[in-house]
This record gives sequence, C-alpha cells and structure tokens, in this order.
Amino acid sequence: DAGVIQSPRHEVTEMGQEVTLRCKPISGHNSLFWYRQTMMRGLELLIYFNNNVPIDDSGMPEDRFSAKMPNASFSTLKIQPSEPRDSAVYFCASSSVEVGLAGGHPYNEQFFGPGTRLTVL
Amino acid sequence: GEDVEQSLFLSVREGDSSVINCTYTDSSSTYLYWYKQEPGAGLQLLTYIFSNMDMKQDQRLTVLLNKKDKHLSLRIADTQTGDSAIYFCAEFSSGGSYIPTFGRGTSLIVHP
Repeated sequence: DAGVIQSPRHEVTEMGQEVTLRCKPISGHNSLFWYRQTMMRGLELLIYFNNNVPIDDSGMPEDRFSAKMPNASFSTLKIQPSEPRDSAVYFCASSSVEVGLAGGHPYNEQFFGPGTRLTVL
Repeated sequence: GEDVEQSLFLSVREGDSSVINCTYTDSSSTYLYWYKQEPGAGLQLLTYIFSNMDMKQDQRLTVLLNKKDKHLSLRIADTQTGDSAIYFCAEFSSGGSYIPTFGRGTSLIVHP
C-alpha cells in the first residue's frame, strides 16, 4: 500500500486566495482526520470523518475552513479566503478501528500522510 | 477535557540513553502511544502500551507506564543521530470517540 497520499506537498499562495488540500486515505480505512501543525500550537485536530461523514469539526478554526469527503478514497480541506496565519503544515491521517489484543478494546493506530506545507504571503 | 503534557526539548549525546516523559489526565485511557516524526515527514507510530501493562520493551525502546500517577515514559537506549526527531505522546480512551489526544511533542536532539 502507498500509504496516505497528500497533495500538493508544498503550496505558496497570496492572502485572499483559495487553497485546496487533497488527501487519499489508505484503502479500507473507515476514519479520516485533518490536522494542522504549527510551532505555536503544536498538532491540532481540525476535523474527523467516519465512514465519509463528518463527526467532529469543532477544531475547524473559522468559517473560512471547510472539509469534504465525497467518497471513501478522497477528502479535501479548503481555505477561502486564505490568511497569513493559516501558514502551517496540514496533515491527513486515516485509521481503521479494530478490536485489539486486549480483548474487545478498540485499538486505533493513525497513519499519517507526509503533509502539505502551506505558506500564505 | 483530556490533556497530554510533554516537555518540548531534550538534548542527549550519541550513545547515551534518552528518556522522554509524558503526563496525561484521562484516567480512562485505554491505550497510550508514542509517535515519531522525522524532519519533513508525518507522524509514525513507534510503539504503544495498553493500560493494564506497566512496561513494554521493544529492542532499544522501553515504555514505562505509571497509571496511578498518569505518567508515561519512553526510554531509548544507545541513542543514535538517526533518533533525532519529534516524539509525540498520545492517549486514547475506548469509552470516548475514536480520536487520540496528542501532546505537543518533544524534540530530541542527538549530538556527537
């Protein structure tokens, strides 16, 4: 398996422009996560999908951010309009909740993509 | 809500042991994880421990869990320059949503 695929790897844009980040999760995984990583805030969970349905979007910073998952193999995170403070590395991760070794307790390993480094000028 | 705390930086000499510490607040944590992030890459699961265990060893890695104090540590024996990375502690509670809570990450710097 190629792992979680993200595109583009790097994006430089000007303030006010629309930015679309893309993610292809690992085939067969039923959960998808979007994270943002900055020096100031560390790793922040933005939104979480389960079986293509958004479950928790409480981490989405503002209405300028939106995410979709039209099918099990593709998700987008859109920022419109972008601002310099949106500059960060955005990670997509996928997982498949499984019954783990401990007898009925779900074990949840997240598989991260390589990230998209976004710079908004 | 849940909280996971780590120190931000650790510097060690090559060949020494590294110990990265983590504290968490959720007493219902089921699994506790250590993820490693190498420069320019995403996080990758390094090891994990289930909450009914005190210790787990995997080659150069030793995970210690003190459930009473809600303290988790990762010991790397014979630390190498290739171990330089950011190490994230994360906890996961089976009673809640299927979302791990991550710490801020500890940057491990290994110098000759």
